[in-house]
Amino acid sequence: SQKIEQNSEALNIQEGKTATLTCNYTNYSPAYLQWYRQDPGRGPVFLLLIRENEKEKRKERLKVTFDTTLKQSLFHITASQPADSATYLCAKALAGGFKTIFGAGTRLFVKA
Amino acid sequence: GAVVSQHPSRVICKSGTSVKIECRSLDFQATTMFWYRQFPKQSLMLMATSNEGSKATYEQGVEKDKFLINHASLTLSTLTVTSAHPEDSSFYICSAMQENQPQHFGDGTRLSIL
Repeated sequence: SQKIEQNSEALNIQEGKTATLTCNYTNYSPAYLQWYRQDPGRGPVFLLLIRENEKEKRKERLKVTFDTTLKQSLFHITASQPADSATYLCAKALAGGFKTIFGAGTRLFVKA
Repeated sequence: GAVVSQHPSRVICKSGTSVKIECRSLDFQATTMFWYRQFPKQSLMLMATSNEGSKATYEQGVEKDKFLINHASLTLSTLTVTSAHPEDSSFYICSAMQENQPQHFGDGTRLSIL
């Protein structure tokens, strides 16, 4: 069955450092991967989408990579801030394109 | 950006009550809407996929008579939890999307059945 694996342990980093979160998936490589941010008691908020033919994508302080050989995506937040503290979800589109499976997310804590 | 409104944000009710949750896409027409359930510190679990004007497609293990989904228009889908029991208590989240676009999520509904 399809799986998305994210590090279940919380990631604690110091303000100003770069946070790196990992997403590993099984089976086939999807046409694209997505990253979302979720705050407690709220719905996920879309951040970035990276397609299989894109090695890297950037948006402000965010950077996502997609390695179809390793079946892995890395999500980086540079110059992290306490406001970046949240749970970050990785998502993979299933065959056919519109259904998506989500990882359980990695909680990030950025200390001032 | 795309906005999805989900209402109510929180419901507390007695066992046996039916609860309706609304999901609206406010500034775009959604070809597809999804309903998820999320337990604490766990992933979003897809319950059903809903297309306007057609019957919802339920995931394995989700009772369609328990979780009634109506997708009346391109901007509105509703989930009704019928005869809710304490085990139905959870965080329910909807999302809406246009073809080949990311999903946009509502803020979820915290359902507590006493």
